[in-house]
Amino acid sequence: EPEVTQTPSHQVTQMGQEVILRCVPISNHLYFYWYRQILGQKVEFLVSFYNNEISEKSEIFDDQFSVERPDGSNFTLKIRSTKLEDSAMYFCASSEPGQASDTQYFGPGTRLTVL
Amino acid sequence: AQSVTQPDIHITVSEGASLELRCNYSYGATPYLFWYVQSPGQGLQLLLKYFSGDTLVQGIKGFEAEFKRSQSSFNLRKPSVHWSDAAEYFCAVAPLYGNKLVFGAGTILRVKS
Repeated sequence: EPEVTQTPSHQVTQMGQEVILRCVPISNHLYFYWYRQILGQKVEFLVSFYNNEISEKSEIFDDQFSVERPDGSNFTLKIRSTKLEDSAMYFCASSEPGQASDTQYFGPGTRLTVL
Repeated sequence: AQSVTQPDIHITVSEGASLELRCNYSYGATPYLFWYVQSPGQGLQLLLKYFSGDTLVQGIKGFEAEFKRSQSSFNLRKPSVHWSDAAEYFCAVAPLYGNKLVFGAGTILRVKS
């Protein structure tokens, strides 16, 4: 069964450093998403991406964040200058036609620790 | 604003016992409703979803959920729990137009033998 993959599984970085989290969505999917879960808190939507542009973003997704689909398979989340409060589990997801009724398939997550 | 409430942070049940996990939502119209499960080290796996029609929805692993419009609830049930069901369960909603999922805080299920 096809699945969403994410690398690395755990990333440790110093405050102020840039990090790139990588995701490989399911190959025929058209919509891509990033969510995050701070320890002990809810899973929160960050951004959705379709046709090489952001289709929706939350207030969390400020100028420090960016997303990109650099090639036909990868989908990345970049945090330009990490803060302590960026420490969280980051989940990538993808869905086929991209309607709310369509299932979003999630990857296993990348745990980001900012020191 | 949309919100999802899962009132139980932890639930412990005995293996073989029945299970009900509660979920209430607040939204202007009936949204799309989902239950996801997360096992340690795994991603979020969809158990079932409700869009319209029959209010009792069957999912994978023997789970079902019932949508009750009058109560704005979408509770997850399983008649007989297995030790492998121990995990964290998330209820989520999505608007009729748009893509983002809004999640509840999750319920951690422990199964005792």
